[in-house]
Amino acid sequence: QKEVEQDPGPLSVPEGAIVSLNCTYSNSAFQYFMWYRQYSRKGPELLMYTYSSGNKEDGRFTAQVDKSSKYISLFIRDSQPSDSATYLCAMRPFSGGYNKLIFGAGTRLAVHP
Amino acid sequence: GAGVSQSPRYKVAKRGQDVALRCDPISGHVSLFWYQQALGQGPEFLTYFQNEAQLDKSGLPSDRFFAERPEGSVSTLKIQRTQQEDSAVYLCASSLERNRPSKPQHFGDGTRLSIL
Repeated sequence: QKEVEQDPGPLSVPEGAIVSLNCTYSNSAFQYFMWYRQYSRKGPELLMYTYSSGNKEDGRFTAQVDKSSKYISLFIRDSQPSDSATYLCAMRPFSGGYNKLIFGAGTRLAVHP
Repeated sequence: GAGVSQSPRYKVAKRGQDVALRCDPISGHVSLFWYQQALGQGPEFLTYFQNEAQLDKSGLPSDRFFAERPEGSVSTLKIQRTQQEDSAVYLCASSLERNRPSKPQHFGDGTRLSIL
């Protein structure tokens, strides 16, 4: 069993829909949680970063962390065709000396006009 | 450009050949990571450099994989006697500081390696 589980999709939604992306994890030592967006044939780019439990909002994006359930979510409001990409969750423990990330498999999202 | 640059973007090699993949990190970035991303999967950690020191190589799949960063800037990932299972996208990432999770890793666009 992988440390981080993520449904690969694909997920297809109409423009303007609210999108919910999720990951579960097994390592209770994870403290930092990130969401990356990866366009086809491009490298991942950081969207959201959250420490420990709670919510964080940035424009149309909201990240939620529920450490008691070992469950993290990314919500995208008013989705746009330009949001079509693969979304990767990533996490790391508090200690460890450096920023080594454990990624989920990624969820492919398609937003159609 | 100001981003992480990787070359070549695409590499095709025959099974058994040696390959070398190059990463130019953002100038001044202390930390450098290599990841392997198989088709339909997320990136998996291979190795980590802090300046010129390779502090973690626990993710390298076998002793055929070797990485170096001799002057603390450009890094090369070398794969000897390539096998078909080595086919993947190899991503390089750099970050400014050693241990600040809030400081993002900046990824290059990767080298897509295909072994025939």
